[in-house]
Amino acid sequence: EAAVTQSPRNKVAVTGGKVTLSCNQTNNHNNMYWYRQDTGHGLRLIHYSYGAGSTEKGDIPDGYKASRPSQENFSLILELATPSQTSVYFCASGDRGNSDYTFGSGTRLLVI
Amino acid sequence: AQKVTQTQTSISVVEKTTVTMDCVYETRDSSYFLFWYKQTASGEIVFLIRQDSYKKENATVGHYSLNFQKPKSSIGLIITATQIEDSAVYFCAMREGYTNAYKVIFGKGTHLHVLP
Repeated sequence: EAAVTQSPRNKVAVTGGKVTLSCNQTNNHNNMYWYRQDTGHGLRLIHYSYGAGSTEKGDIPDGYKASRPSQENFSLILELATPSQTSVYFCASGDRGNSDYTFGSGTRLLVI
Repeated sequence: AQKVTQTQTSISVVEKTTVTMDCVYETRDSSYFLFWYKQTASGEIVFLIRQDSYKKENATVGHYSLNFQKPKSSIGLIITATQIEDSAVYFCAMREGYTNAYKVIFGKGTHLHVLP
């Protein structure tokens, strides 16, 4: 079954440290997305990609970088983590022709 | 600019009744796609139903249906014969057809509580 797998599931990072969140999809979808979920804000789009080698800024890209080295993998990078980036991060994949954007199980990040 | 707004933060209903959750959107595109997703207590986010802007008929899947009012830029989700397991957070989402055609944005969500 097609799936989106995120790693790690939980992460504790120190302020100023580098954090990499990984996402792998077996859906053969062209498009991949990173969102963060915070109480009162819903799902906010950080970065997205429409294919290997591409990354685009979403609505809240500041403090985040993204990398799409292959069709299957999409990473979210926090070069200098801050406590304000404590959140739950979701990765998703989809295609323009499809109804279904498939989500991963989420990564809970705590920056102390 | 593209925007999705859900004003209902929380709704409580009695089991087996019908509930409607509201969503309004903003876009300059003539073609766009609207979605509803459900997030369960475990955190899992699953797709429920979709409405394409060019379709006049309201989409229906199982006990989920949509009330698409294009002139009002509104896409309501209707759940009939609600069940306890429908308790969850429901998100409205939109993708434009031309401008930012790969970008999918979500509303803040509505927390539905179905009571016995």
